[in-house]
Amino acid sequence: SQTIHQWPATLVQPVGSPLSLECTVEGTSNPNLYWYRQAAGRGLQLLFYSVGIGQISSEVPQNLSASRPQDRQFILSSKKLLLSDSGFYLCAWRPRPHRDGYNSPLHFGNGTRLTVT
Amino acid sequence: EDKVVQSPLSLVVHEGDTVTLNCSYEVTNFRSLLWYKQEKKAPTFLFMLTSSGIEKKSGRLSSILDKKELFSILNITATQTGDSAVYLCAVFSYQGGSEKLVFGKGMKLTVNP
Repeated sequence: SQTIHQWPATLVQPVGSPLSLECTVEGTSNPNLYWYRQAAGRGLQLLFYSVGIGQISSEVPQNLSASRPQDRQFILSSKKLLLSDSGFYLCAWRPRPHRDGYNSPLHFGNGTRLTVT
Repeated sequence: EDKVVQSPLSLVVHEGDTVTLNCSYEVTNFRSLLWYKQEKKAPTFLFMLTSSGIEKKSGRLSSILDKKELFSILNITATQTGDSAVYLCAVFSYQGGSEKLVFGKGMKLTVNP
């Protein structure tokens, strides 16, 4: 069966420091991968998604970036954190959609609670 | 801009009550609507709906989609304290050559004993 791992679970970082959050998926190949941020009262906001190695689409301009160095690894980074980067970051995956348009739900990791101080 | 709106945003009920959660949407090229339950960490998948009028059911939870009126409801009967969570509605739309999942803000349900 497929599993998704995300770490760390919690992180406290000072303003201006770098960030690296990692997500890996096991038990599948060629997944679509996603980074979401969940802020209080604002729902889940899509930050980045990837359909393959090295292929990253950004949804929201910001000081965050994402990379996919391996098929089942997705990394969220920042060179200099801002206070506004605080939030709950969720990684998710789903199988590559079939040609007939069938899609399947996203499956989420347990998230990283980031506090920028 | 794609939009998913949930109502109410919060609800407090007593064990045994029945609750109905609402989700309306305006998206480009609708593909499917999903419901998730989020307790403390990862949202967990409940239902995916693609066709109008077909109810999906799992135990005390059920959901139905109305593609003409652009909404869905999630029903929970005989609520239990373990149903306390944030319930998220999300819609897959197809735009710009890719599918994107847009979420509502969530509905916080509190079930008191």
